[in-house]
Amino acid sequence: AQSVTQLDSHVSVSEGTPVLLRCNYSSSYSPSLFWYVQHPNKGLQLLLKYTSAATLVKGINGFEAEFKKSETSFHLTKPSAHMSDAAEYFCVVSATYNQGGKLIFGQGTELSVKP
Amino acid sequence: EPEVTQTPSHQVTQMGQEVILRCVPISNHLYFYWYRQILGQKVEFLVSFYNNEISEKSEIFDDQFSVERPDGSNFTLKIRSTKLEDSAMYFCASLQGIQETQYFGPGTRLLVL
Repeated sequence: AQSVTQLDSHVSVSEGTPVLLRCNYSSSYSPSLFWYVQHPNKGLQLLLKYTSAATLVKGINGFEAEFKKSETSFHLTKPSAHMSDAAEYFCVVSATYNQGGKLIFGQGTELSVKP
Repeated sequence: EPEVTQTPSHQVTQMGQEVILRCVPISNHLYFYWYRQILGQKVEFLVSFYNNEISEKSEIFDDQFSVERPDGSNFTLKIRSTKLEDSAMYFCASLQGIQETQYFGPGTRLLVL
């Protein structure tokens, strides 16, 4: 069965410093992995996705993630945090090979950005 | 840019009452989903729907729940007799094709008193 584990429930950074949100996955096949962001009182917005093409995936708002099969990781990074990045971030894996199936969410990481 | 919409944004109901949550998926999408997020917990899959039938459902999706695509544009989730533990944010999502990405609506926050 597929699963994801987000290693930090809460991350706090200062504005202008790098962001690292950690995610490990478990999958019996080459997974499709996603990062979604949820701003307060808003829906879930796709940041980026990995679907077995390039291992370094670039997303919106300067975020990127690297798929590392040897480490079963898909960590989300951003070189310089902005106040508007404060939100909940979810690492997500597709439950089936073809992506048409359900998504399985991690527990979420709340990112706080201090001025 | 096309988006998934959901109504209402908030709903308060009494335990035992029926509620219908409505979603309008993106127009050329073929796969439809409901997820829920109980406050402080992770987002959980409820049900997927394709070709006018349920393709997969979770253990949460018991006989109290049903889904329907009544008119080719709306996708509804009905809870027949709400319980306190049904209080959650309910998200609708849609997908154009199996190699694509699920797009989520803004959610309906349901509070059962």
